[in-house]
Amino acid sequence: EADIYQTPRYLVIGTGKKITLECSQTMGHDKMYWYQQDPGMELHLIHYSYGVNSTEKGDLSSESTVSRIRTEHFPLTLESARPSHTSQYLCASSRPTGADEKLFFGSGTQLSVL
Amino acid sequence: QKEVEQNSGPLSVPEGAIASLNCTYSDRGSQSFFWYRQYSGKSPELIMFIYSNGDKEDGRFTAQLNKASQYVSLLIRDSQPSDSATYLCAVNPSGGGADGLTFGKGTHLIIQP
Repeated sequence: EADIYQTPRYLVIGTGKKITLECSQTMGHDKMYWYQQDPGMELHLIHYSYGVNSTEKGDLSSESTVSRIRTEHFPLTLESARPSHTSQYLCASSRPTGADEKLFFGSGTQLSVL
Repeated sequence: QKEVEQNSGPLSVPEGAIASLNCTYSDRGSQSFFWYRQYSGKSPELIMFIYSNGDKEDGRFTAQLNKASQYVSLLIRDSQPSDSATYLCAVNPSGGGADGLTFGKGTHLIIQP
């Protein structure tokens, strides 16, 4: 079944650690996105990709980095985690056809940095 | 700055009644419009999309679009407690939305049994 997967679902980590949040999709979508969302707040786009070897920064400044070596895989890395990085991180993908840019979201990673 | 505005609520509706959620957008050239439902602690789930002026119905859900007024709404008929969630309005802006959809802050809907 085509889907979009994120791991881990929850992560509690100490300050200064390097972390990578994984995102994979089996829908063959070209575009992939990372959003950050705090409880009760709006989604903020932090990174996106048009396809392999394409990465762009989103509206919200982020200290994270992303890579897109394979179509199905779009990991997000924090080199040195800080408490200010505590948030929910949502990965999404889409295959735009004209105006029809439906986003499909993964289940999210809830990150807590102590 | 292309914006999508929603009343954050909470909007409280009795079970069985019609819930009406509203959204306005600033980019007149926006092409497509989406409603996502997000339960607390979960990721957004697409429930409706609409491209043309007028109404679009899917089960208990009806999306309404008025491009002249730059207004899109979601009606939920026969509201159920399971409909309690935050509803996000999202817009595909003019230019094709190279960086994805623009989301509103969401309306928190509470269906009272």
